[in-house]
Amino acid sequence: KAGVTQTPRYLIKTRGQQVTLSCSPISGHRSVSWYQQTPGQGLQFLFEYFSETQRNKGNFPGRFSGRQFSNSRSEMNVSTLELGDSALYLCASSSYLGYEQYFGPGTRLTVT
Amino acid sequence: AQSVTQLDSQVPVFEEAPVELRCNYSSSVSVYLFWYVQYPNQGLQLLLKYLSGSTLVKGINGFEAEFNKSQTSFHLRKPSVHISDTAEYFCAVSDPNNNDMRFGAGTRLTVKP
Repeated sequence: KAGVTQTPRYLIKTRGQQVTLSCSPISGHRSVSWYQQTPGQGLQFLFEYFSETQRNKGNFPGRFSGRQFSNSRSEMNVSTLELGDSALYLCASSSYLGYEQYFGPGTRLTVT
Repeated sequence: AQSVTQLDSQVPVFEEAPVELRCNYSSSVSVYLFWYVQYPNQGLQLLLKYLSGSTLVKGINGFEAEFNKSQTSFHLRKPSVHISDTAEYFCAVSDPNNNDMRFGAGTRLTVKP
C-alpha cells in the first residue's frame, strides 16, 4: 500500500496570508490527524477527522481549521499567518480507534 | 487524559554500546503504547507498539520495549546501537476508546563512533 502523502512538502508564506495543506491517508484508513511540530513545543495535536467529522481538537486558535472529504483525504487551513506558525505540519492516518498512526513526511511551512 | 514523560532529552552513546530510552506514562484507563523514530526532515516511523499480551515487544531495527504496568513505564532498549540509529525518538500513548494520541517531548539519541 502507498503511505501517507502530504503536499506541498515545503511552503514559504508571508505574515497575514493563509495557507492550505493537503493529506492523503493510506487506502482504507478513515481517521486523519494533524500535528504541529516545532523545536520549542514539540509535537502538538491539532485535530482529528473521522468519516468527514472532526472528532477531537487540540488547543489551537480558530485560525487553524480542517476538513475531510468523502475519500478520507484531508486539508488543513491556517488563516492570517503569524511568524509563530512556522513549523513542520504532520498528518497521520489510522484504521482503528487507538491503534498506531502512520505519518506522512510533513509539510515544512515557513512564515516570513 | 493520558500523558507521557520522556525522562531524557538527549542520550549520547558510543557505537555498539547498549542503550535505553526511558518513557513513563500516566492514564486513568488502559492504554496502547508506541515508540516512533524521526530522522531529520522526515515524518515519524513506527518502531514498535504494545496493544495487549506479552509485555516484551520487539520492533524493527533490533529495538525492543517492555511494558511495566506497575511502574507505568515503557522503556525502549537496543543491545548494540549503530551510527544510523542517530535520530529523535518519541514515546506515545493512546486511549483505546478514541484516537487521542499523546506524545512525549522526544529523546535525541546520538551515536558516536
